[in-house]
Amino acid sequence: SQQGEEDPQALSIQEGENATMNCSYKTSINNLQWYRQNSGRGLVHLILIRSNEREKHSGRLRVTLDTSKKSSSLLITASRAADTASYFCATVGYGQNFVFGPGTRLSVLP
Amino acid sequence: EPEVTQTPSHQVTQMGQEVILRCVPISNHLYFYWYRQILGQKVEFLVSFYNNEISEKSEIFDDQFSVERPDGSNFTLKIRSTKLEDSAMYFCASRQDTSQETQYFGPGTRLLVL
Repeated sequence: SQQGEEDPQALSIQEGENATMNCSYKTSINNLQWYRQNSGRGLVHLILIRSNEREKHSGRLRVTLDTSKKSSSLLITASRAADTASYFCATVGYGQNFVFGPGTRLSVLP
Repeated sequence: EPEVTQTPSHQVTQMGQEVILRCVPISNHLYFYWYRQILGQKVEFLVSFYNNEISEKSEIFDDQFSVERPDGSNFTLKIRSTKLEDSAMYFCASRQDTSQETQYFGPGTRLLVL
């Protein structure tokens, strides 16, 4: 599989529920970043976690990183309809170029 | 809050024509990038640019593509002799300096080659 693979590919939940998306990667990284993309729009940076960090919080977002398993998860708590979007992880090696995964399409139903 | 801007938002062109996609990175940023996203697929790295030269490019970025920073504000991607498979969303991104790891993306230019 390729660097930065997310799963699930699609996730549908009810408003108020938590959404968890996972990302796996293959090579060593400097940091891993999560981005959001609303349909047909640009990428919005959500959160960055460095390779020496294990967990990070930002508002309703919680990101974990397990470098031994080469995986990361993004948790969105108390989801809202406005969270409906595609979520991408991007791994950043020491050359600072991003490798994006295929993304998880999250649908939050009202 | 400063942001990366891109023009045009949409571009339709005939196969074989040349297109120039324009980006204005955030003003104090030093590193610039182009990515593309074919419909329904992942975002792919094309090229990075620093100190007026290409610092890294992917396999996608062949002789058909070129980048330029013609003045102090614009960063352009030129695609010569466009092909049908060049149809995609093209994103520009910029990064402040080596101490900042976040890249800030523009809204993208949707290119359609007919």
